[in-house]
Amino acid sequence: EDQVTQSPEALRLQEGESSSLNCSYTVSGLRGLFWYRQDPGKGPEFLFTLYSAGEEKEKERLKATLTKKESFLHITAPKPEDSATYLCAVVMFSGGYNKLIFGAGTRLAVHP
Amino acid sequence: DSGVTQTPKHLITATGQRVTLRCSPRSGDLSVYWYQQSLDQGLQFLIQYYNGEERAKGNILERFSAQQFPDLHSELNLSSLELGDSALYFCASSVGPTVQETQYFGPGTRLLVL
Repeated sequence: EDQVTQSPEALRLQEGESSSLNCSYTVSGLRGLFWYRQDPGKGPEFLFTLYSAGEEKEKERLKATLTKKESFLHITAPKPEDSATYLCAVVMFSGGYNKLIFGAGTRLAVHP
Repeated sequence: DSGVTQTPKHLITATGQRVTLRCSPRSGDLSVYWYQQSLDQGLQFLIQYYNGEERAKGNILERFSAQQFPDLHSELNLSSLELGDSALYFCASSVGPTVQETQYFGPGTRLLVL
């Protein structure tokens, strides 16, 4: 069954403590992977798109990487304002059309 | 601000009722997507419209329907509402028809069914 799993479910970091969030997928025909940030009660905010294994994208303290089975979102020296839920979503080809499947997210809390 | 607008922000209604949620995409975007986000199920894709035509369907119930109008705004109609329909409903838009393109999300409509 096609699946997207994010880990950990929740992560608590001290300000400046770097870490990584994981998004693993068991889908056939991967057509792309998105990372979004979501603040409580708000719509997801686009961060990155990755299309092929080996690809990397960076933005400020965030860096996203992609392998054939998983993606990582690395957060370097996080600040309290990085606290949010981080969602990954996988585009897969199934049943004759492309589908977008979201993971359940990782809730990140960064404390000063 | 993503440029996608949704109304209303909040909606409280009773079981069995019908409601309509409205979405205006970003200027220049032709695709509109609808999502449901509840606490126990995460973000679930419901349906996509591109330039007025249905493009893709996800886990949308038969009690729900949507359409996209010539001015590209979209409406999601939810009928015979049940307690379990309480959720955040998001609209997203993108330029073209393919789901590989970046989607920009609106602020959402919070629906509470009592």
